[in-house]
Amino acid sequence: DAGVTQSPTHLIKTRGQQVTLRCSPKSGHDTVSWYQQALGQGPQFIFQYYEEEERQRGNFPDRFSGHQFPNYSSELNVNALLLGDSALYLCASQRKIGLAGPQFFGPGTRLTVL
Amino acid sequence: KNQVEQSPQSLIILEGKNCTLQCNYTVSPFSNLRWYKQDTGRGPVSLTIMTFSENTKSNGRYTATLDADTKQSSLHITASQLSDSASYICVVMANQAGTALIFGKGTTLSVSS
Repeated sequence: DAGVTQSPTHLIKTRGQQVTLRCSPKSGHDTVSWYQQALGQGPQFIFQYYEEEERQRGNFPDRFSGHQFPNYSSELNVNALLLGDSALYLCASQRKIGLAGPQFFGPGTRLTVL
Repeated sequence: KNQVEQSPQSLIILEGKNCTLQCNYTVSPFSNLRWYKQDTGRGPVSLTIMTFSENTKSNGRYTATLDADTKQSSLHITASQLSDSASYICVVMANQAGTALIFGKGTTLSVSS
């Protein structure tokens, strides 16, 4: 079992650009959540996807959007990048919708915006 | 406002010693509390999950306690090892539709030989 995988590992973009991050959930999991973790901070919840729909959303602007595919994998898109978007982006998967159960995190994608 | 505060911010201990990390929260209504271990540059790994009715839970050398009355939790690490060096994050979930997990900023533990 490969666990939760994310790609790419690292990414460098410039202000104003758009970025797409990818996540494959752990085998048997159907729900994916995305988090943003700034340096020295705890993760902040962005949104959660289940059955290809956004089910819950944290306090993030519409520049942050996502998608879930029929195979349960997910993408996080960020438009009009700002310097403050530089962070580790974490994907977490779980067996069912909601946040009560255990979540398994991927290794993250380190995004640097110049 | 739902908040999770952890202390200390950082901690340095010698290998083989015990330590205790603290977590205070103001999240309401409470659903569960989790402790995660996060190695540098890696995703968090779950250590324990406790609901309202549980006041202690162990995972190997890690023991978490929960006092739902005082809204405090602790994570005790016994006989520390060099591999315990990491950030330990306390996470609280509110029992409320549409509410996400609230993460603390973490305690950075350094275990030295």
